[in-house]
Amino acid sequence: EADIYQTPRYLVIGTGKKITLECSQTMGHDKMYWYQQDPGMELHLIHYSYGVNSTEKGDLSSESTVSRIRTEHFPLTLESARPSHTSQYLCASSEGGSSGIKRELFFGEGSRLTVL
Amino acid sequence: AQKVTQAQTEISVVEKEDVTLDCVYETRDTTYYLFWYKQPPSGELVFLIRRNSFDEQNEISGRYSWNFQKSTSSFNFTITASQVVDSAVYFCALSDHRDDKIIFGKGTRLHILP
Repeated sequence: EADIYQTPRYLVIGTGKKITLECSQTMGHDKMYWYQQDPGMELHLIHYSYGVNSTEKGDLSSESTVSRIRTEHFPLTLESARPSHTSQYLCASSEGGSSGIKRELFFGEGSRLTVL
Repeated sequence: AQKVTQAQTEISVVEKEDVTLDCVYETRDTTYYLFWYKQPPSGELVFLIRRNSFDEQNEISGRYSWNFQKSTSSFNFTITASQVVDSAVYFCALSDHRDDKIIFGKGTRLHILP
């Protein structure tokens, strides 16, 4: 069973507030990811990290930022939330993968953000 | 460029019927990986299967089976004797050999009616 945790599960805030979505995994995985899921179900990669001090932007442009100071922790921050940021945010991690073998992603339960 | 197409947006079947979810992918690489995930109403994506491009053997796991055909770039998923608990959104995904991004299809919402 995957050990990856996201908090908060649900968050309702007003426009202009700063928010941080937390994501932690206890599996020692090097790779971590943030996906944004729109109401139509589609998943968009917004950030990923190969390890400590490594962060990359994903395929969907996002105003959020991430940091990776510790292997187990990959928080996502919005400095000034807007209604357009309302969405489900899913965090995931995977093993580094030896010999180029791609490992599956393990997902957290998601953080549903509503900005009023 | 990589792409995953799940043409079926939503499917409804009556319990105990068999159902197949289609997945067609595009990639220029000869080495790649395909995945299926299930997202129940709770929201968490659950890994179901991983296949690499060199292994075209079909796989069966209980009521679930997967048909990988490189000739048609398809990786279809069949649920036999469906149950209400199978109701969920199912995602097909692709990752090539060069980077670590996994690209998801748009998902198929499956309703199993009692």
